[in-house]
Amino acid sequence: QKEVEQNSGPLSVPEGAIASLNCTYSDRGSQSFFWYRQYSGKSPELIMFIYSNGDKEDGRFTAQLNKASQYVSLLIRDSQPSDSATYLCAAEMNRDDKIIFGKGTRLHILP
Amino acid sequence: NAGVTQTPKFQVLKTGQSMTLQCAQDMNHNSMYWYRQDPGMGLRLIYYSASEGTTDKGEVPNGYNVSRLNKREFSLRLESAAPSQTSVYFCASRTAGRAYNEQFFGPGTRLTVL
Repeated sequence: QKEVEQNSGPLSVPEGAIASLNCTYSDRGSQSFFWYRQYSGKSPELIMFIYSNGDKEDGRFTAQLNKASQYVSLLIRDSQPSDSATYLCAAEMNRDDKIIFGKGTRLHILP
Repeated sequence: NAGVTQTPKFQVLKTGQSMTLQCAQDMNHNSMYWYRQDPGMGLRLIYYSASEGTTDKGEVPNGYNVSRLNKREFSLRLESAAPSQTSVYFCASRTAGRAYNEQFFGPGTRLTVL
């Protein structure tokens, strides 16, 4: 079992709607969590990081962390066609610089 | 600043051949990583180096060796390539010391093993 789990999708969301992406992790010692976006054929780029329980908002993006449930999510409001990409969830294991990624969720925004 | 650079961008090998993938960063980062990405598999950690002089295994280290040559450079070696190592390889780096520092990724190396 992978240490970071994501639903691979594809997840299809109408333009203007909210896209909800989910991630669970197995190591309770994990401290920091990251959401990366990756377009086809390109390198991953950071969208959000979160390390405290609760919500963190940045523009149209909101990251949510629940350490008791070992659950991280990313909400994208007012989804745009340019949001169509693969979203990768990552966790830092025990503050030792080891960063593990999930398999990624493919998101399609329908015009 | 070039950020994270990787060479080569593309490579085709025959089974059993060896090669070294090069990675360099000019951001004075302490930590460096090698990942492989296969369709539908996300990024899988091969090896990482938290500081110059140290290396640690990741999720899929078998068949690979690494060298942290200095603070800037982190190379990945395939001693005897196998078709199962056909993949896109990404190098990344980040600053140590603050847990929420992001990783910066190189452009990737597309490797095909025939």
